[in-house]
Amino acid sequence: DAGVTQSPTHLIKTRGQQVTLRCSPKSGHDTVSWYQQALGQGPQFIFQYYEEEERQRGNFPDRFSGHQFPNYSSELNVNALLLGDSALYLCASSFSPRQPQHFGDGTRLSIL
Amino acid sequence: TQLLEQSPQFLSIQEGENLTVYCNSSSVFSSLQWYRQEPGEGPVLLVTVVTGGEVKKLKRLTFQFGDARKDSSLHITAAQPGDTGLYLCAGVGQNFVFGPGTRLSVLP
Repeated sequence: DAGVTQSPTHLIKTRGQQVTLRCSPKSGHDTVSWYQQALGQGPQFIFQYYEEEERQRGNFPDRFSGHQFPNYSSELNVNALLLGDSALYLCASSFSPRQPQHFGDGTRLSIL
Repeated sequence: TQLLEQSPQFLSIQEGENLTVYCNSSSVFSSLQWYRQEPGEGPVLLVTVVTGGEVKKLKRLTFQFGDARKDSSLHITAAQPGDTGLYLCAGVGQNFVFGPGTRLSVLP
């Protein structure tokens, strides 16, 4: 039973570029949440997708957008990358929006 | 805005010692979760507490949810090197809110 899988594992971009990160949820899960974890800090909630719609959003600018597909997988898109966007981006899935979450191992994004 | 604070920020102890870490907020949460995260990996759920005053035990780990559902504690008995990691609490309210974590190092 595969857990939450994220791709790529590492990514290097330059300022101003755009990036797309991908997440496949744990089998049977229909809800996907995205988090940003800066070095030495706890994860910060970006948004949550359920039934292909953004249901909740944290305090992140519109440069951060997402999508959920009919198979429940999800993408996180970040436009106009800034140096401060360098972080570990975590995807988490759950059976429903308020249930305990299972996390992937993240995508380490570095902005040069 | 709901915020969670955790203390201590860092903790280094010898194998066999006991320890307690704390998670505090001024906000009420419907439930609270504890995770452990190791380097290069995502957080792994340890426990969810739902009822004010609830106590849950997971082997040598004891979790307690405050009566007012604003705070929680994690007590580890006879810590082992395998307990080393970043311990995160997360409150379920309007969104999932994570604390900054307690980084625990257990030395053999």
